[in-house]
Amino acid sequence: AQSVTQPDIHITVSEGASLELRCNYSYGATPYLFWYVQSPGQGLQLLLKYFSGDTLVQGIKGFEAEFKRSQSSFNLRKPSVHWSDAAEYFCAVGNGNKLVFGAGTILRVKS
Amino acid sequence: KAGVTQTPRYLIKTRGQQVTLSCSPISGHRSVSWYQQTPGQGLQFLFEYFSETQRNKGNFPGRFSGRQFSNSRSEMNVSTLELGDSALYLCASSSGTVYEQYFGPGTRLTVT
Repeated sequence: AQSVTQPDIHITVSEGASLELRCNYSYGATPYLFWYVQSPGQGLQLLLKYFSGDTLVQGIKGFEAEFKRSQSSFNLRKPSVHWSDAAEYFCAVGNGNKLVFGAGTILRVKS
Repeated sequence: KAGVTQTPRYLIKTRGQQVTLSCSPISGHRSVSWYQQTPGQGLQFLFEYFSETQRNKGNFPGRFSGRQFSNSRSEMNVSTLELGDSALYLCASSSGTVYEQYFGPGTRLTVT
């Protein structure tokens, strides 16, 4: 069965600092991988996706993620965090149109 | 294009009642999926509909059901509500052939 692990429940970074959110997945075949962001009281917004090809994918809002098959990882990065990035971030693996989500990482940004 | 819309945004129901939630997908999208989000269980897949047919189903009791209409709009129904059904219910749409889903704002259901 597919599963996604996000090891960090909370992360706090200073505004302007770099960010890396970790995601590990378990999936038998080539995975479809996604990162979503959720602000309080809101739905999920798709940041980026990996289906195949280049293992470094670019997304919206300056985010990128790198797929590493050998490590079963799909970590999300941003070189310089803005206060507006404070939110909860979810990694997901897709099996057709069924998404399996990690537990989420809450990002706090301190000024 | 307009995004995914869900109505109502907030609902308060009493144990034992039933509830119907509605989702209108992005224009042209034929697949609608439903997810339940709770603090304890996180985001869990309920079911997916494509062209009016349930194509995939999660591990939820039969009290949770859904349907899709010919215009791709979808409804989900929860009968005999329990306190544990209090959650944010999220709807997502996709083209059905490309597996990226776009989410609506959700319906916050509170069962008292």
